[in-house]
Amino acid sequence: DGGITQSPKYLFRKEGQNVTLSCEQNLNHDAMYWYRQDPGQGLRLIYYSQIVNDFQKGDIAEGYSVSREKKESFPLTVTSAQKNPTAFYLCASSRQGPGAGELFFGEGSRLTVL
Amino acid sequence: GIQVEQSPPDLILQEGANSTLRCNFSDSVNNLQWFHQNPWGQLINLFYIPSGTKQNGRLSATTVATERYSLLYISSSQTTDSGVYFCAVLIQGAQKLVFGQGTRLTINP
Repeated sequence: DGGITQSPKYLFRKEGQNVTLSCEQNLNHDAMYWYRQDPGQGLRLIYYSQIVNDFQKGDIAEGYSVSREKKESFPLTVTSAQKNPTAFYLCASSRQGPGAGELFFGEGSRLTVL
Repeated sequence: GIQVEQSPPDLILQEGANSTLRCNFSDSVNNLQWFHQNPWGQLINLFYIPSGTKQNGRLSATTVATERYSLLYISSSQTTDSGVYFCAVLIQGAQKLVFGQGTRLTINP
């Protein structure tokens, strides 16, 4: 079945360590996105990418990095510079340009920094 | 930037009741989506509805773009309808969806 796969679902890390969250889609979508959700809050955009080898910062990009070397893949690295990394991270994709088409989400990755 | 306000923030109902969730936005939009976030955190697409009315089973949605609001109707609620409902909008000329804070719906048996 087509969809968006995020891994791992749960991740525990020590403070100061970089972690990379995986996002893979087989929907042949051009655009991909990373959102962060804190408890009881809405979603905030971290980074998005319209095409391979191109990406733009969202509203809360500080402390995060991404790459888009393949159309299917958009990994997110949470660096040690991110002051409050514990959160729920959601990856999404859409058929058209950023936000223009319908957005579909993966199941999310829950990161806890100890 | 655009403001997206959802109401009510919390709603508790008995099974079988009907409910209406509202999403107000402060600017003209090209795209509006409704999502249901289940207890495990996954966001499920409900409607892609920049304007007009759509129905899918017990759920329906109406967006009145000229008046800058959208409504999500849930009829004959079931316990599995519990969760958080988000609307998200794309304003004209922008490149990213902006999410509201959500409505937390609890359906009691």
